[in-house]
Amino acid sequence: QKEVEQNSGPLSVPEGAIASLNCTYSDRGSQSFFWYRQYSGKSPELIMSIYSNGDKEDGRFTAQLNKASQYVSLLIRDSQPSDSATYLCAVTGSGGGADGLTFGKGTHLIIQP
Amino acid sequence: DAGITQSPRYKITETGRQVTLMCHQTWSHSYMFWYRQDLGHGLRLIYYSAAADITDKGEVPDGYVVSRSKTENFPLTLESATRSQTSVYFCASSEFRGPAQPQHFGDGTRLSIL
Repeated sequence: QKEVEQNSGPLSVPEGAIASLNCTYSDRGSQSFFWYRQYSGKSPELIMSIYSNGDKEDGRFTAQLNKASQYVSLLIRDSQPSDSATYLCAVTGSGGGADGLTFGKGTHLIIQP
Repeated sequence: DAGITQSPRYKITETGRQVTLMCHQTWSHSYMFWYRQDLGHGLRLIYYSAAADITDKGEVPDGYVVSRSKTENFPLTLESATRSQTSVYFCASSEFRGPAQPQHFGDGTRLSIL
């Protein structure tokens, strides 16, 4: 059974600092990787996707992928109180996502003003 | 407005009742998915569909039925609701072309079964 592991937190980071969120996955055939942000009582919102080893940057967000280590991470620079949320790591299987995503349980991030 | 719409947003029902959760998307995405989200379990896939009249089971399909007669609609039915099916249900859609396109989620249905 495919598994995605995340530290549940809470992870507390001062405003303006870098928040680092980590995720490991068990299926070596996983092809695509996503980070979703979920505010309490709301639906998951896509913030980053990554498909190749290395780094991908989008504004204050950087996703990092290491397929050999089966590890995905998300860095949030210049953290803001509005970044306080639960961050979900999601991966596809070898089918590329046609059969759905496998989610981690999420990391609860708190940005302290 | 374009997007993915779930209804109802909130539903309270009793054990043994049949209940249907609706999902409608206006993007013409081929793929649609149903997930449930529970404390301690995260999001888990119930059923998915690759196109009209093509559906398949996910991780936790027992007690649920789906249909997809039209591309834009993907209803989820609990045939005889049980308390263990109390959860938040999310519908998602995606257009699949490699590499995988991300899934976009509806606002969810919060279902309570008494």
